[in-house]
Amino acid sequence: QVTLRESGPALVKPTQTLTLTCTFSGFSLSTSGMSVSWIRQPPGRALEWLGVIAWDDAKYYSTSTRLTISKDTSKNQVVLTMTDMDPVDTATYYCERIYGRAPPAWGKGTTVTVSS
Amino acid sequence: DIQMTQSPSTLSASVGDRVTITCRASQNIGPWLAWYQQKPGKAPNLLIYTASSLESGVPSRFSGSGSGTEFTLTISSLQFDDFATYYCQQYIIYPWAFGQGTKVEIK
Repeated sequence: QVTLRESGPALVKPTQTLTLTCTFSGFSLSTSGMSVSWIRQPPGRALEWLGVIAWDDAKYYSTSTRLTISKDTSKNQVVLTMTDMDPVDTATYYCERIYGRAPPAWGKGTTVTVSS
Repeated sequence: DIQMTQSPSTLSASVGDRVTITCRASQNIGPWLAWYQQKPGKAPNLLIYTASSLESGVPSRFSGSGSGTEFTLTISSLQFDDFATYYCQQYIIYPWAFGQGTKVEIK
């Protein structure tokens, strides 16, 4: 059974760096074709895709230059780092597993508020 | 970047109605499209993947079709539990992208 769980701080101050961890089970990110992406959703707004890391460590990001995604295959974790946080970054953050024709799998999300 | 355009943005319907939501991609994405249902305060729930594959446990009144640039999500007979917001997502060409959502409201 594939599961993903997001974790990290619920509150960060403006200009701080956010670090979120996606801990997963039921698959290995070293498997060819596997990838994990990050998505966020500000309150009352649509889903926004942020970026992805693939099994071969290839990465692709949305237009944001503040974002870094990394993986620790031995720990079954993917880490999102976002610098210079702003109140507009307040959102629920999700991680998602994509693997070929298998059904996409999501975590339940973690809510991050940016406020002083 | 690929643009995903859903229509309509809002849909008013009654229980028992047949409902169709459209998602158009600005480039050919083959079958690499998923549909999600989201209720307030909850994570998106996968309904359909690879355009027409029904996720396990999802009622058969939900169906998806299309390929390339035009896709549809159909609810054959709307139930009370189906009033929610629906999103499409393409996951083949970077940057992956979502539609803006379609809110299905009670008429």
